[in-house]
Amino acid sequence: DAGITQSPRHKVTETGTPVTLRCHQTENHRYMYWYRQDPGHGLRLIHYSYGVKDTDKGEVSDGYSVSRSKTEDFLLTLESATSSQTSVYFCAISERQGDNQPQHFGDGTRLSIL
Amino acid sequence: DQQVKQNSPSLSVQEGRISILNCDYTNSMFDYFLWYKKYPAEGPTFLISISSIKDKNEDGRFTVFLNKSAKHLSLHIVPSQPGDSAVYFCAASEGTYKYIFGTGTRLKVLA
Repeated sequence: DAGITQSPRHKVTETGTPVTLRCHQTENHRYMYWYRQDPGHGLRLIHYSYGVKDTDKGEVSDGYSVSRSKTEDFLLTLESATSSQTSVYFCAISERQGDNQPQHFGDGTRLSIL
Repeated sequence: DQQVKQNSPSLSVQEGRISILNCDYTNSMFDYFLWYKKYPAEGPTFLISISSIKDKNEDGRFTVFLNKSAKHLSLHIVPSQPGDSAVYFCAASEGTYKYIFGTGTRLKVLA
């Protein structure tokens, strides 16, 4: 199994509060990704990173920001959480981009915004 | 607009028989396709992939078939085992970081 740890695994918070989710990898992979999984939508890319301090937006990036100050850590922040951001969040990593490299996923964070 | 579709939300199969999971796509630029398996409370696990230059790829009990003209791929599991019970996602890519996932098919293998 790829060495990916997501924290926290579960979180319940209130609308309007800031929330930060952490993804930590021990594989030294260059590429890291944040997805959300919702019923009827599969997994959708929020943001991704192609190196330290190098990030870009994905399909559903509104309301989210990310930071990557070290190769091993990729943080996802909800500046002011809304109920529509209740979801299961998955971090993924890959050694290379494209070149038919599969992404490998962490076990997810279940986030509930009340 | 769903570019990758898994039209069967669920599938039940008897142990030992073949499981066939289907996936359709609309973007002809997709050239790399993957299947992931997901158990409850865990992340998706990569299962098998296929490049558009092939029409079949096998790995043990798992075979993926790609029909480019029909924009269709399928995952065959033979023989099916109770441990295969999970949600299966197909995903497609144009060879970049961007994966487009289907909505998943829940497979239940009955003992």
